Amino acid sequence: EVQLVQSGAEVKKPGESLKISCKGSGYNFPYYWIGWVRQMPGKGLEWMGIIYPDDSDIRYSPSFQGQVTISADKSITTAYLQWSSLKPSDTAIYYCVRQEGGNCYRHWGQGTLVTVSS
Amino acid sequence: DIQMTQSPSTLSASVGDRVTITCRASQSFNSWLAWYQQKPGRAPKLLIYKGSVLESGVPSRFSGSGSGTEFTLSISSLQPDDFATYYCQHYSSNSPHTFGQGTKLEIK
Repeated sequence: EVQLVQSGAEVKKPGESLKISCKGSGYNFPYYWIGWVRQMPGKGLEWMGIIYPDDSDIRYSPSFQGQVTISADKSITTAYLQWSSLKPSDTAIYYCVRQEGGNCYRHWGQGTLVTVSS
Repeated sequence: DIQMTQSPSTLSASVGDRVTITCRASQSFNSWLAWYQQKPGRAPKLLIYKGSVLESGVPSRFSGSGSGTEFTLSISSLQPDDFATYYCQHYSSNSPHTFGQGTKLEIK
């Protein structure tokens, strides 16, 4: 069974750094693109970017380029999303998703709530 | 980059109604379009991919159609469980996999 299990909720202050994780299991992790999707409170879904764990090829949405860093460690089947300096506007739920062979997103993580507040 | 415009943003309907949601793309692409359903507090769920292919386990009252720049999601006879928010997403290569803004389907 394919599973994407994300790290737990975080509460941070503006300016702090953060790295959240998404552990994949039940499939050959290096060979499926893993993406990240943001959902701000009461708002829609925003595609942030995607990584191919085997060679760490990364594609960012222009809206998120330079704002976050996507990475992966295929040895521990885990993908990451990190910020170097959080802002209150980063408050959102972040989902990791697995892309199906250049296709749609069938498998979603449970989401990680990130709250940034002073 | 391809932009997706979804309409309407809100749709009020009754159980048993047929409803249609539309997604328009700023550029034409080859049916690399998916539809998702999201309920409050839950991750989105895949309903349809490649524009018209029904995901396994999804009721047949859901259907997708379209090509080029205009795609639609239809629900033939609304059930109580269908009241949720729906999103389209394109996933063609060489462009960000943008979502539409979402359509909230409400009970009339």
